[in-house]
Amino acid sequence: DARVTQTPRHKVTEMGQEVTMRCQPILGHNTVFWYRQTMMQGLELLAYFRNRAPLDDSGMPKDRFSAEMPDATLATLKIQPSEPRDSAVYFCASGSPTNANTEAFFGQGTRLTVV
Amino acid sequence: AQKVTQAQTEISVVEKEDVTLDCVYETRDTTYYLFWYKQPPSGELVFLIRRNSFDEQNEISGRYSWNFQKSTSSFNFTITASQVVDSAVYFCAFDGGTSYGKLTFGQGTILTVHP
Repeated sequence: DARVTQTPRHKVTEMGQEVTMRCQPILGHNTVFWYRQTMMQGLELLAYFRNRAPLDDSGMPKDRFSAEMPDATLATLKIQPSEPRDSAVYFCASGSPTNANTEAFFGQGTRLTVV
Repeated sequence: AQKVTQAQTEISVVEKEDVTLDCVYETRDTTYYLFWYKQPPSGELVFLIRRNSFDEQNEISGRYSWNFQKSTSSFNFTITASQVVDSAVYFCAFDGGTSYGKLTFGQGTILTVHP
C-alpha cells in the first residue's frame, strides 16, 4: 500500500533550536508539496518541488525555513531557528500531476510544538 | 487569486440524517480542479474526489455525492444517512489549471455525527 511517510510524527523543541522534518514521497511521484496547518491560517502551501527542483516557495518564511530534495526519495523541511509561532502540523504530499490526474496524497503530518 | 469559502464552520447531526457541506470558490481561471479531502480525528488528509471544470456531472459514490454548479461557483458535498465514522473535518480545495497539485484550501467544516 503506497503512502507518503513523514518523520517524526511529533516533535517538541525549545525556541531557537533547529528542526528538520523528513518526507518520503510515494515511489514514482515527481511532485512534492509541503503544507502547514494551524488553527488561525488553516492549510497553507509552503513550498513545492517537481522532479526535485523547487518551483515555488513563496509561502515559506525565507529567513528561517528551507526546503530541499536531496534525492527522489527524500524531501526535507528545516526551520532554524525555530519560534513558538512555528507550532503547527506540517504535511508533506506527493503526486504526479497530469491533465487526467492531479490529486495529491498526503502523509500523516508532523506535529511540531515549539516552547 | 483563487479563494475557497466553506461558510459552515461546524455542523452537528444525528446518525442517519443527511448532511450537505457547502463550498464556494472564486477564480478567473477557465480550467481548474476542485477537490474534497477528509481529515478524521487521527489527523491525516484523505482524498475523496476530484472534479475538473469541464465536467459538471454530479457524482455519487456510495453514501457520498457531489454537486458541481459552475453557474454558482459551488461544489457541494452531501453525505446520505450519516454515520458516526463520518465525523471529521472536511476540506474543499481548488487547483488552478496551470498549477497541478498546488492546492488552495477552504477553512474546513467540522462535522460531528452523534449516535
